[in-house]
Amino acid sequence: AQSVAQPEDQVKVAEGNPLTVKCTYSVSGNPYLFWYVQYPNRGLQFLLKYITGDNLVKGSYGFEAEFNKSQTSFHLKKPSALVSDSALYFCAVRALAAGSYQLTFGKGTKLSVIP
Amino acid sequence: SQTIHQWPATLVQPVGSPLSLECTVEGTSNPNLYWYRQAAGRGLQLLFYSVGIGQISSEVPQNLSASRPQDRQFILSSKKLLLSDSGFYLCAWSRGYTEAFFGQGTRLTVV
Repeated sequence: AQSVAQPEDQVKVAEGNPLTVKCTYSVSGNPYLFWYVQYPNRGLQFLLKYITGDNLVKGSYGFEAEFNKSQTSFHLKKPSALVSDSALYFCAVRALAAGSYQLTFGKGTKLSVIP
Repeated sequence: SQTIHQWPATLVQPVGSPLSLECTVEGTSNPNLYWYRQAAGRGLQLLFYSVGIGQISSEVPQNLSASRPQDRQFILSSKKLLLSDSGFYLCAWSRGYTEAFFGQGTRLTVV
Protein backbone atom coordinates (compact mmCIF):
# COMPACT_ATOMS: atom_id res chain seq x y z
CA ALA A 1 0.00 0.00 0.00
CA GLN A 2 1.16 3.53 -0.67
CA SER A 3 1.05 6.34 1.84
CA VAL A 4 2.01 9.97 2.36
CA ALA A 5 2.95 11.68 5.60
CA GLN A 6 2.87 15.41 6.15
CA PRO A 7 4.33 15.68 9.65
CA GLU A 8 3.26 19.26 10.31
CA ASP A 9 -0.41 20.15 10.66
CA GLN A 10 0.47 23.82 10.46
CA VAL A 11 3.42 25.92 9.33
CA LYS A 12 3.75 29.60 10.11
CA VAL A 13 6.24 31.84 8.35
CA ALA A 14 6.76 35.58 8.07
CA GLU A 15 6.13 37.25 4.75
CA GLY A 16 9.33 37.44 2.71
CA ASN A 17 10.95 34.50 4.51
CA PRO A 18 11.56 31.15 2.84
CA LEU A 19 9.03 28.42 3.47
CA THR A 20 9.20 24.63 3.53
CA VAL A 21 6.31 22.21 3.77
CA LYS A 22 7.43 18.67 4.44
CA CYS A 23 6.29 15.45 2.82
CA THR A 24 7.50 11.86 3.00
CA TYR A 25 6.06 8.96 1.08
CA SER A 26 5.97 5.19 0.92
CA VAL A 27 5.30 3.33 -2.32
CA SER A 28 6.33 0.15 -4.08
CA GLY A 29 8.67 0.97 -6.91
CA ASN A 30 9.24 4.41 -8.37
CA PRO A 31 6.84 7.19 -7.42
CA TYR A 32 4.97 9.92 -9.14
CA LEU A 33 4.80 12.81 -6.64
CA PHE A 34 2.55 15.85 -6.63
CA TRP A 35 1.80 18.98 -4.67
CA TYR A 36 -1.60 20.66 -4.57
CA VAL A 37 -2.94 23.79 -2.90
CA GLN A 38 -6.47 24.32 -1.61
CA TYR A 39 -8.13 27.60 -0.70
CA PRO A 40 -11.20 27.57 1.58
CA ASN A 41 -14.24 25.82 0.10
CA ARG A 42 -12.48 25.27 -3.20
CA GLY A 43 -11.14 22.31 -5.10
CA LEU A 44 -7.47 21.40 -5.18
CA GLN A 45 -5.18 23.21 -7.58
CA PHE A 46 -2.19 21.40 -9.04
CA LEU A 47 1.16 23.05 -8.24
CA LEU A 48 3.90 20.73 -9.48
CA LYS A 49 4.95 17.15 -10.04
CA TYR A 50 7.94 14.86 -10.07
CA ILE A 51 7.93 12.02 -12.56
CA THR A 52 11.56 11.46 -13.40
CA GLY A 53 14.70 13.43 -14.13
CA ASP A 54 15.96 16.46 -12.21
CA ASN A 55 15.34 16.13 -8.49
CA LEU A 56 14.40 19.81 -8.20
CA VAL A 57 11.14 20.58 -9.91
CA LYS A 58 9.63 23.99 -10.40
CA GLY A 59 5.93 24.73 -10.44
CA SER A 60 3.32 27.42 -10.32
CA TYR A 61 3.46 30.65 -8.28
CA GLY A 62 7.20 30.35 -7.58
CA PHE A 63 6.97 27.03 -5.74
CA GLU A 64 9.50 24.27 -6.15
CA ALA A 65 10.01 20.86 -4.61
CA GLU A 66 13.00 18.62 -4.10
CA PHE A 67 12.77 14.88 -4.58
CA ASN A 68 15.07 12.86 -2.33
CA LYS A 69 14.91 9.17 -3.07
CA SER A 70 17.09 8.01 -0.17
CA GLN A 71 14.96 9.91 2.34
CA THR A 72 11.71 9.23 0.46
CA SER A 73 10.88 12.89 0.74
CA PHE A 74 9.39 15.54 -1.52
CA HIS A 75 9.44 18.82 0.38
CA LEU A 76 7.72 21.90 -1.03
CA LYS A 77 9.69 25.14 -0.93
CA LYS A 78 9.45 28.79 -1.86
CA PRO A 79 12.27 31.32 -1.46
CA SER A 80 10.05 34.22 -0.36
CA ALA A 81 6.58 33.67 1.08
CA LEU A 82 3.59 35.86 0.27
CA VAL A 83 0.52 36.42 2.43
CA SER A 84 -1.51 35.10 -0.50
CA ASP A 85 0.31 31.75 -0.17
CA SER A 86 -1.68 31.08 3.00
CA ALA A 87 -3.69 27.96 2.23
CA LEU A 88 -3.88 24.21 2.76
CA TYR A 89 -1.19 22.20 0.97
CA PHE A 90 -1.40 18.56 0.04
CA CYS A 91 1.30 16.14 -1.05
CA ALA A 92 0.24 13.11 -3.10
CA VAL A 93 1.85 9.96 -4.48
CA ARG A 94 1.05 7.47 -7.19
CA ALA A 95 3.04 4.33 -7.88
CA LEU A 96 4.72 4.13 -11.25
CA ALA A 97 3.15 0.83 -12.16
CA ALA A 98 0.63 -0.41 -14.65
CA GLY A 99 -2.89 -0.24 -13.30
CA SER A 100 -1.91 2.03 -10.44
CA TYR A 101 -4.62 4.64 -10.66
CA GLN A 102 -4.94 5.46 -7.00
CA LEU A 103 -3.62 8.89 -6.05
CA THR A 104 -2.97 8.92 -2.31
CA PHE A 105 -2.92 12.20 -0.42
CA GLY A 106 -1.40 13.31 2.84
CA LYS A 107 -3.57 14.92 5.48
CA GLY A 108 -2.55 18.40 4.47
CA THR A 109 -0.49 21.20 6.02
CA LYS A 110 -2.01 24.56 6.74
CA LEU A 111 0.40 27.30 5.75
CA SER A 112 -0.02 30.69 7.37
CA VAL A 113 2.10 33.57 6.12
CA ILE A 114 2.21 36.40 8.63
CA PRO A 115 2.39 39.96 7.27
CA SER B 1 -8.30 23.15 -22.86
CA GLN B 2 -9.84 20.75 -20.43
CA THR B 3 -12.38 21.75 -17.82
CA ILE B 4 -14.22 19.89 -15.13
CA HIS B 5 -17.67 20.82 -13.90
CA GLN B 6 -19.12 19.65 -10.62
CA TRP B 7 -22.50 20.53 -9.19
CA PRO B 8 -24.18 21.56 -7.05
CA ALA B 9 -21.73 23.64 -5.03
CA THR B 10 -23.66 23.19 -1.80
CA LEU B 11 -26.40 20.80 -0.77
CA VAL B 12 -28.37 20.27 2.42
CA GLN B 13 -30.24 16.99 2.57
CA PRO B 14 -32.23 15.23 5.30
CA VAL B 15 -31.15 11.89 6.66
CA GLY B 16 -32.63 9.06 4.61
CA SER B 17 -32.98 11.08 1.42
CA PRO B 18 -31.29 10.10 -1.85
CA LEU B 19 -28.23 11.80 -3.31
CA SER B 20 -26.98 12.47 -6.79
CA LEU B 21 -23.85 14.49 -7.48
CA GLU B 22 -22.73 14.95 -11.06
CA CYS B 23 -19.37 15.65 -12.60
CA THR B 24 -18.51 16.20 -16.25
CA VAL B 25 -15.23 16.77 -18.04
CA GLU B 26 -14.78 18.70 -21.27
CA GLY B 27 -11.92 18.82 -23.71
CA THR B 28 -10.53 15.33 -23.31
CA SER B 29 -11.58 11.78 -24.04
CA ASN B 30 -11.37 8.59 -21.99
CA PRO B 31 -10.21 10.30 -18.81
CA ASN B 32 -9.70 8.49 -15.54
CA LEU B 33 -12.32 9.83 -13.14
CA TYR B 34 -12.30 9.99 -9.36
CA TRP B 35 -14.56 10.82 -6.44
CA TYR B 36 -12.90 11.94 -3.22
CA ARG B 37 -14.37 12.97 0.12
CA GLN B 38 -12.71 15.50 2.37
CA ALA B 39 -13.80 15.58 5.99
CA ALA B 40 -13.31 18.50 8.36
CA GLY B 41 -11.23 20.50 5.87
CA ARG B 42 -8.46 17.95 5.75
CA GLY B 43 -7.38 14.56 4.40
CA LEU B 44 -8.80 13.31 1.12
CA GLN B 45 -10.27 9.85 0.98
CA LEU B 46 -10.60 8.18 -2.41
CA LEU B 47 -14.11 6.78 -2.75
CA PHE B 48 -14.32 5.58 -6.35
CA TYR B 49 -12.35 5.68 -9.54
CA SER B 50 -13.18 4.76 -13.11
CA VAL B 51 -10.95 4.04 -16.09
CA GLY B 52 -13.80 3.70 -18.59
CA ILE B 53 -17.56 3.65 -19.16
CA GLY B 54 -19.23 1.27 -16.75
CA GLN B 55 -15.93 0.47 -15.00
CA ILE B 56 -16.07 1.48 -11.35
CA SER B 57 -13.63 0.59 -8.59
CA SER B 58 -14.59 1.20 -4.98
CA GLU B 59 -11.89 1.93 -2.45
CA VAL B 60 -13.93 1.79 0.74
CA PRO B 61 -17.19 0.11 1.75
CA GLN B 62 -19.84 2.73 2.33
CA ASN B 63 -23.30 4.02 1.79
CA LEU B 64 -22.41 5.48 -1.59
CA SER B 65 -22.18 4.24 -5.16
CA ALA B 66 -20.82 5.64 -8.40
CA SER B 67 -21.69 5.29 -12.05
CA ARG B 68 -20.16 6.35 -15.33
CA PRO B 69 -22.91 6.33 -17.94
CA GLN B 70 -20.89 8.32 -20.49
CA ASP B 71 -17.18 8.73 -21.17
CA ARG B 72 -16.92 12.11 -19.47
CA GLN B 73 -19.68 11.86 -16.87
CA PHE B 74 -19.26 10.54 -13.36
CA ILE B 75 -22.10 10.37 -10.85
CA LEU B 76 -21.99 9.81 -7.11
CA SER B 77 -25.19 8.47 -5.58
CA SER B 78 -26.79 7.25 -2.41
CA LYS B 79 -30.20 5.71 -1.83
CA LYS B 80 -30.40 6.84 1.79
CA LEU B 81 -28.06 9.44 3.26
CA LEU B 82 -26.56 9.09 6.71
CA LEU B 83 -25.33 11.89 8.95
CA SER B 84 -21.81 10.54 8.47
CA ASP B 85 -22.06 11.22 4.72
CA SER B 86 -21.64 14.94 5.36
CA GLY B 87 -18.46 16.34 3.90
CA PHE B 88 -16.82 18.02 0.95
CA TYR B 89 -16.97 15.89 -2.18
CA LEU B 90 -14.47 16.38 -4.95
CA CYS B 91 -14.50 15.03 -8.46
CA ALA B 92 -11.25 14.79 -10.40
CA TRP B 93 -9.90 13.55 -13.70
CA SER B 94 -6.52 12.50 -14.98
CA ARG B 95 -4.97 11.27 -18.18
CA GLY B 96 -3.19 8.07 -17.44
CA TYR B 97 -0.91 8.17 -14.44
CA THR B 98 -0.14 11.87 -14.36
CA GLU B 99 -1.59 14.62 -12.21
CA ALA B 100 -5.30 14.83 -11.44
CA PHE B 101 -7.36 17.96 -11.93
CA PHE B 102 -10.14 18.74 -9.51
CA GLY B 103 -13.57 20.27 -9.69
CA GLN B 104 -14.65 22.97 -7.29
CA GLY B 105 -16.31 20.54 -4.91
CA THR B 106 -19.74 20.02 -3.38
CA ARG B 107 -20.34 20.78 0.28
CA LEU B 108 -22.89 18.21 1.48
CA THR B 109 -24.59 18.65 4.83
CA VAL B 110 -26.89 15.87 5.98
CA VAL B 111 -29.34 17.06 8.65
